Amino acid sequence: DVKVTQSSRYLVKRTGEKVFLECVQDMDHENMFWYRQDPGLGLRLIYFSYDVKMKEKGDIPEGYSVSREKKERFSLILESASTNQTSMYLCASSLIGDSHYYGYTFGSGTRLTVV
Amino acid sequence: GQNIDQPTEMTATEGAIVQINCTYQTSGFNGLFWYQQHAGEAPTFLSYNVLDGLEEKGRFSSFLSRSKGYSYLLLKELQMKDSASYLCAVRDKTSGTYKYIFGTGTRLKVLA
Repeated sequence: DVKVTQSSRYLVKRTGEKVFLECVQDMDHENMFWYRQDPGLGLRLIYFSYDVKMKEKGDIPEGYSVSREKKERFSLILESASTNQTSMYLCASSLIGDSHYYGYTFGSGTRLTVV
Repeated sequence: GQNIDQPTEMTATEGAIVQINCTYQTSGFNGLFWYQQHAGEAPTFLSYNVLDGLEEKGRFSSFLSRSKGYSYLLLKELQMKDSASYLCAVRDKTSGTYKYIFGTGTRLKVLA
């Protein structure tokens, strides 16, 4: 089975801190994604990447950046954490293509609280 | 624009059948997915439809009508463990780029 691992399940950070959220997948997937999930708003795409060193902005990239130096690892960076970035962060990966096999596999999520 | 609508919450009784509807608008439809998400956990893949019709997988079935921009997830013989959120997601392919758009999810409560 494909495994997507997020480094932390729960994080508490202070306002203004630089925060790194790490995601690693072990099935050689080309695509990797970062979402945040908030009650009533669903999953919103922050950034995604189709290849190493490649990144694309999603729907809500402000206040975030990403890094993909290796195919298996996709990092989300909060440059200066703010309280409105308190959320559940989900990483996902998939293959490229049209088949149903190319749906997402999600990581277990990181619940970030900024105080 | 791109939009997905699904009911916020539904309640059903153990052993019953429940249908969760999803309507969508997208310019480059390339498949519709249903995910199940238990509280505090990651979403897990349930079903996929790209052609019109019904896809059956055990107690779960998913239906798609592309002309109507409509899908539903049918859960039969409900069990307590089916209490979860159900996310409808559309894969959009525009200019060769794939993008997934998620609905806000339907929280299903199964009562004994």
